[in-house]
Amino acid sequence: QVQLVESGGGVVQPGRSLRLSCAASEFTFSTYGMHWVRQAPGKGLEWVAVISYDGNNKYYADSVKGRFTISRDNSKNTLYLQMNSLRVEDTAVYYCAKERARYSYGGDPDYWGQGSLVTVSS
Amino acid sequence: EIVLTQSPDFQSVTPKEKVTITCRASQRVGNSLHWYQQKPDQSPKLLINYASQSISGVPSRFRGSGYGTDFTLTINSLEAEDAAVYYCLQSSSLPLTFGGGTKVEIK
Repeated sequence: QVQLVESGGGVVQPGRSLRLSCAASEFTFSTYGMHWVRQAPGKGLEWVAVISYDGNNKYYADSVKGRFTISRDNSKNTLYLQMNSLRVEDTAVYYCAKERARYSYGGDPDYWGQGSLVTVSS
Repeated sequence: EIVLTQSPDFQSVTPKEKVTITCRASQRVGNSLHWYQQKPDQSPKLLINYASQSISGVPSRFRGSGYGTDFTLTINSLEAEDAAVYYCLQSSSLPLTFGGGTKVEIK
């Protein structure tokens, strides 16, 4: 069964940085695009970023462009989200999610991790 | 970016009733519209993809339809375990966008 386990969340002050990781297992990580999606407390889902299976293509939501960087290490089966210049409004549970189709980029995610809570507060 | 508008925001339904949730896109998305279910304190789960394609393991009472800008998720004969928030997602163009969600409560 596909497993995605996020880590790295926590409480951080506005303006500081944090890096999330997503450890993937039980599927061929290097052949699937990956997404980050977030959910503010009590709110709906907001798509954040996508990276292609080989890391060569990336796309971001306007709300995080220039501040967040998505990356992956296929040798470690791990997805990352580097979050810089954090704002109070970035407070959310951050989910990593796997694309359903191999080698696709920007398609529907099928499996999701359990999420990692990031709280930005002074 | 493509805006997805879901309706209703909230629905309170008796078990065995039929539930209909709609999702309207601000631009045509073809059939690149997907439905997710999120139960309290859980991650979202893919229910239907490409407007009407069934997902393995999802009960057959969940049905999707639509094309272009107007889509529907139907839950036939609602069960207590279907209490959740339902979201639509478009993957026709980046950025991906979600609808605002529809909360289904069991009476």
